[in-house]
Amino acid sequence: SYVLTQPPSVSVAPGQTARITCGGNNIGSKSVHWYQQKPGQAPVLVVYDDSDWPSGIPERFSGSNSGNTATLTISRVEAGDEADYYCQVWDASSDHYVFGTGTKVTVL
Amino acid sequence: QVQLVESGGGVVQPGRSLRLSCAASGFTFINYAMHWVRQAPGKGLEWVGLISYDGRNEYYADSVKGRFTISRDNSKNTLSLQMNSLRAEDTAVYYCVREAILTGYYNYWGQGTLVTVSS
Repeated sequence: SYVLTQPPSVSVAPGQTARITCGGNNIGSKSVHWYQQKPGQAPVLVVYDDSDWPSGIPERFSGSNSGNTATLTISRVEAGDEADYYCQVWDASSDHYVFGTGTKVTVL
Repeated sequence: QVQLVESGGGVVQPGRSLRLSCAASGFTFINYAMHWVRQAPGKGLEWVGLISYDGRNEYYADSVKGRFTISRDNSKNTLSLQMNSLRAEDTAVYYCVREAILTGYYNYWGQGTLVTVSS
């Protein structure tokens, strides 16, 4: 089955840039989506199709995808960005939907 | 506005069954594939399975295949998850999730319902 690997944690100071990676075999050939989840809440879509924003999501959130790594970048990090982040793809070979292992972003 | 409201969670003994429901409103239910996603306490998200917009096709994660069944009633705008032969590792918050049409991503989630499998 297809596996997506994320770093367990990323720490960043306010105003700086956080980068969260999502590794998978030839992930660049798939569409990658990213979710933010705060404690006790359901996940929220923050980036879809590698680099597009849903309405209401600030442009500080951006994405890229190439080769074996997709990346979510959070610019000008704010305290309210502290959350868990998950990447997600649809694996056509198995018709399964796959989530990454998740990354906890801590704002110092 | 789009609303997805899960119900039916609770404590159940290993080996027993439980049925979850999801009431959908605020959109044309029949147009959308629907999924269940779960999250064990303190763990990450895990896709459980999906049902196509018309109910003709179902797909399941290997961890639940043969034990869980997803169904829908498009006349009542409801989604269901029948869980049989429950195990301790099925303990999780279960989310009802709407997939944006033919996109592969989720734009609406319910608030989740907790299932605890314990003797």
